[in-house]
Amino acid sequence: KAGVTQTPRYLIKTRGQQVTLSCSPISGHRSVSWYQQTPGQGLQFLFEYFSETQRNKGNFPGRFSGRQFSNSRSEMNVSTLELGDSALYLCASQRILNTEAFFGQGTRLTVV
Amino acid sequence: DQQVKQNSPSLSVQEGRISILNCDYTNSMFDYFLWYKKYPAEGPTFLISISSIKDKNEDGRFTVFLNKSAKHLSLHIVPSQPGDSAVYFCAANRDDKIIFGKGTRLHILP
Repeated sequence: KAGVTQTPRYLIKTRGQQVTLSCSPISGHRSVSWYQQTPGQGLQFLFEYFSETQRNKGNFPGRFSGRQFSNSRSEMNVSTLELGDSALYLCASQRILNTEAFFGQGTRLTVV
Repeated sequence: DQQVKQNSPSLSVQEGRISILNCDYTNSMFDYFLWYKKYPAEGPTFLISISSIKDKNEDGRFTVFLNKSAKHLSLHIVPSQPGDSAVYFCAANRDDKIIFGKGTRLHILP
């Protein structure tokens, strides 16, 4: 069974640009969550989608947005990039809510 | 407001000894708790979980203890092995959202 797939693995962008990250969950999993990992802050929750609906949102500015498609694949978008957005962005999928989450390898975003 | 706290950023343990990773939480409404292990350049890997109605769960070398009155949980790894060197995240589930601590880096010394 394939795991959670995130693309791209690495990305370098300049300030002011926008970026879209993609996540394909494990087959059959309907919940996708996004996290930002930075050295000082650990794993911070961005948002969660279930059946194409955003169910939860963390404390991030509106520049961070996401969506989920009918096949459960999810995308995350960050507009007007700032240097502080440099981080590892992780996607996790769950079969249903309230079960353990399985993570992808992440997308390392560097903003210069 | 940090609801899940791992107060030790790092921990060094001799190979073969017991590793104890600690985690404190503030919200008594959490449904269950999880531990994840993370190697560099990889996503976190689920290790073990415990329901809020239990006080212990064991899986091989890994045991998680939950003390609800103290709002504290711990992960015991025994015996510790070199491959256990990683960052360990404690997490708690509430309202369909998993909240993570900042992680503890475990070093297993030869």
